[in-house]
Amino acid sequence: DQQVKQNSPSLSVQEGRISILNCDYTNSMFDYFLWYKKYPAEGPTFLISISSIKDKNEDGRFTVFLNKSAKHLSLHIVPSQPGDSAVYFCAASADFNKFYFGSGTKLNVKP
Amino acid sequence: DVKVTQSSRYLVKRTGEKVFLECVQDMDHENMFWYRQDPGLGLRLIYFSYDVKMKEKGDIPEGYSVSREKKERFSLILESASTNQTSMYLCASAAGGRYDGYTFGSGTRLTVV
Repeated sequence: DQQVKQNSPSLSVQEGRISILNCDYTNSMFDYFLWYKKYPAEGPTFLISISSIKDKNEDGRFTVFLNKSAKHLSLHIVPSQPGDSAVYFCAASADFNKFYFGSGTKLNVKP
Repeated sequence: DVKVTQSSRYLVKRTGEKVFLECVQDMDHENMFWYRQDPGLGLRLIYFSYDVKMKEKGDIPEGYSVSREKKERFSLILESASTNQTSMYLCASAAGGRYDGYTFGSGTRLTVV
């Protein structure tokens, strides 16, 4: 059974608006979380991370929120740009360097 | 920038063949990983290695083996390819500690016919 779930396979938003990508996990031992972005024909690239000692981490247009009680994290992109169109994976870890990945959400930002 | 290079972008192999997927990283990373990516299932860990000649099973090791004879090279071996091993295979490397995340290669799309 998947320990990290991204229940929305796709999301479409208008350029300039907010994109919110969601991720749920089941293992309460997870204490470190990452988001990756993947363009077609390329490997995933690291986007942003958050440790369980925080509930928010921000990097430019990207903010990740962590709700430990709900075992939920989300990635906010504000404002969304057409170049943000990609597949986004969340990943979680409880052990050194072993991450579990979600199934991905394909974001389409329309001009 | 760290570069992770996978030797083939596309491969087509026949059922029963022995298949080698090669991965090379150029930043002296201790840790290397092999994942497969399938629709609806995300990335699943096959094998990983913390050091030369060391390997650990991931979540789906059946039908696969690995080799790490040199620090920069991590090979995935399909002993006898089957059609259910048709997938996108991604290699990744990482320095010690979780905070850096992984650097991924571009992937190898393997089709077994």
